[in-house]
Amino acid sequence: SYELTQPSSVSVSPGQTARITCSGDLLAKKNGRWFQQKPGQAPVLVIYRDTKRPSGIPERFSGSSSGTTVTLTISGAQVEDEADYYCYSAADNNRIFGGGTKLTVL
Amino acid sequence: QVQLVQSGAEVKKPGASVKVSCKVSGKSLTELSMHWVRQAPGKGLEWMGGFDPEDGETIYAQKFQGRVTMTEDTSTDTAHMELSSLRSEDTAVYYCVGGWYFDLWGRGTLVTVSS
Repeated sequence: SYELTQPSSVSVSPGQTARITCSGDLLAKKNGRWFQQKPGQAPVLVIYRDTKRPSGIPERFSGSSSGTTVTLTISGAQVEDEADYYCYSAADNNRIFGGGTKLTVL
Repeated sequence: QVQLVQSGAEVKKPGASVKVSCKVSGKSLTELSMHWVRQAPGKGLEWMGGFDPEDGETIYAQKFQGRVTMTEDTSTDTAHMELSSLRSEDTAVYYCVGGWYFDLWGRGTLVTVSS
């Protein structure tokens, strides 16, 4: 079965660049998405098809892909970006979420 | 504006079943390819299953096969997810999720399984 691996936590100071990686064999052939989840709220899509940003998502959020890894980059992270971030991909009849990364902006 | 409105919290005993509903407003249910995702307390997101428009069928995560049923009532634009043989580990918030890229989420329904 497929797995997506993320670091459990990432910490940056306000204004710095935060990078969250997600690795898995299926990412070599399938696109990835990123979801942001703040405490007590439903997740929000922030990146789809590896690099696309939905309308309403700030430009500081960007995505990239290389080989079996996709990366979410938050350029100039703000305090309000502190949240859990989940990568996601689809393969065959499975849909898979990564384990999640807690981003601290402090 | 498209909204997914979920049914209220449930408390169930082990071995029972629960049925969670998700009503779509602002769009037709058939346009959304509804899926269900759950999140246990303090844990990550777990995909349970959903409608695959490429095959025209509902697909389920292997973990839940035989125990979960997802249905759609197009007359009321409401999706349902029923999970049977509940155990304590099924205590979680259950989300309905729509849109090709999972860009639409309900607010979640807390299901508590406790004796």
